[in-house]
Amino acid sequence: NAGVTQTPKFQVLKTGQSMTLQCAQDMNHEYMSWYRQDPGMGLRLIHYSVGAGITDQGEVPNGYNVSRSTTEDFPLRLLSAAPSQTSVYFCASSPLTSGSSNEQFFGPGTRLTVL
Amino acid sequence: DAKTTQPNSMESNEEEPVHLPCNHSTISGTDYIHWYRQLPSQGPEYVIHGLTSNVNNRMASLAIAEDRKSSTLILHRATLRDAAVYYCILRGTTSGTYKYIFGTGTRLKVLA
Repeated sequence: NAGVTQTPKFQVLKTGQSMTLQCAQDMNHEYMSWYRQDPGMGLRLIHYSVGAGITDQGEVPNGYNVSRSTTEDFPLRLLSAAPSQTSVYFCASSPLTSGSSNEQFFGPGTRLTVL
Repeated sequence: DAKTTQPNSMESNEEEPVHLPCNHSTISGTDYIHWYRQLPSQGPEYVIHGLTSNVNNRMASLAIAEDRKSSTLILHRATLRDAAVYYCILRGTTSGTYKYIFGTGTRLKVLA
């Protein structure tokens, strides 16, 4: 298993540009999520999904869109990049088993700089 | 969303036990208590989780108070590799409560 993969690893954007951060998992996990981590800070939840076709907002959703057309993929779209979106972005996945709560697996992160 | 409160930082000597506390007074009956840690320049990694009973695994132990309003992560013998930020998170098991919300965590410094 590759686990959770993220592309690209690094990205530099200009203000106003749009782009999509890719996230894929091969563990057949229902739950997937996106976090951002600013320097010296904790992780903040952007969006999450509990299955294909189902997404919901986290703590800091503004400026980001997500979709979940398959179980494996959960891309994060930046609509119009701003310097405030400079951060490290982590994707994560976990199973959802009724009556229990399971380990979340994280990808290696995407380091995004917006100039 | 139920919140957790952790000390900002703690220090420990190498090879001594470390007790990392977490308060979660608004925990609901179906919330699991999860602990993750983040080593420098890496993504978070799972440490342990539990519901009501104390839990042990190869990395750590989790002691849960009887009223479930607090918990303690125990590293039995801290090593330099355990220096990290440790996050205590509540995760629900019903629709609308599955999301993991990370707090600010406890930065653990291990002294040689």
